[in-house]
Amino acid sequence: KAGVTQTPRYLIKTRGQQVTLSCSPISGHRSVSWYQQTPGQGLQFLFEYFSETQRNKGNFPGRFSGRQFSNSRSEMNVSTLELGDSALYLCASSLAAVTDTQYFGPGTRLTVL
Amino acid sequence: AQSVTQLGSHVSVSEGALVLLRCNYSSSVPPYLFWYVQYPNQGLQLLLKYTSAATLVKGINGFEAEFKKSETSFHLTKPSAHMSDAAEYFCAVRINTGNQFYFGTGTSLTVIP
Repeated sequence: KAGVTQTPRYLIKTRGQQVTLSCSPISGHRSVSWYQQTPGQGLQFLFEYFSETQRNKGNFPGRFSGRQFSNSRSEMNVSTLELGDSALYLCASSLAAVTDTQYFGPGTRLTVL
Repeated sequence: AQSVTQLGSHVSVSEGALVLLRCNYSSSVPPYLFWYVQYPNQGLQLLLKYTSAATLVKGINGFEAEFKKSETSFHLTKPSAHMSDAAEYFCAVRINTGNQFYFGTGTSLTVIP
């Protein structure tokens, strides 16, 4: 089975721009979660989607949004980029239940100048 | 509230020595506990998970962890460190309600030849 894929792997944007990141889960996985990883804050949960519905949300401003499509692929959007949004954005997929293992993609490295 | 504390942001061991990475959790309900490893420029890979079955959990690459409810701990061990074990290790907790992961801040393991 192919693993979780994320595109693009690297992005450079300037302040004020917006960005869309994409995540394709493992085939058959219906849950997709997004995380922001920074050296100072570690791994922080952004949100989780299950069957096209946002099932859970972390403590991030409304500039961070996401969606999931019927094929379970997910996108994350960040509007009005700030310097502090520079981070590694990780996507993880799992089957459905809480005890299911989350499988992580390689991440998208976003740099905001 | 749920949280995860990893004691020691950096741990150094000699090749062949015991690896011990500490993780304590805080949860008001029985948790599901996970250890992940992250190699440079890669996503997270599951090492092992505890989901209320056996308290001693064996994972990949010779790692194991023991769930101790009385100590609210889930420390990760490996009897003999290998150079390839050098990486960042994350402990995570997930509870049935809320359905999101809470990650520790990570422990960077260095293996000295």
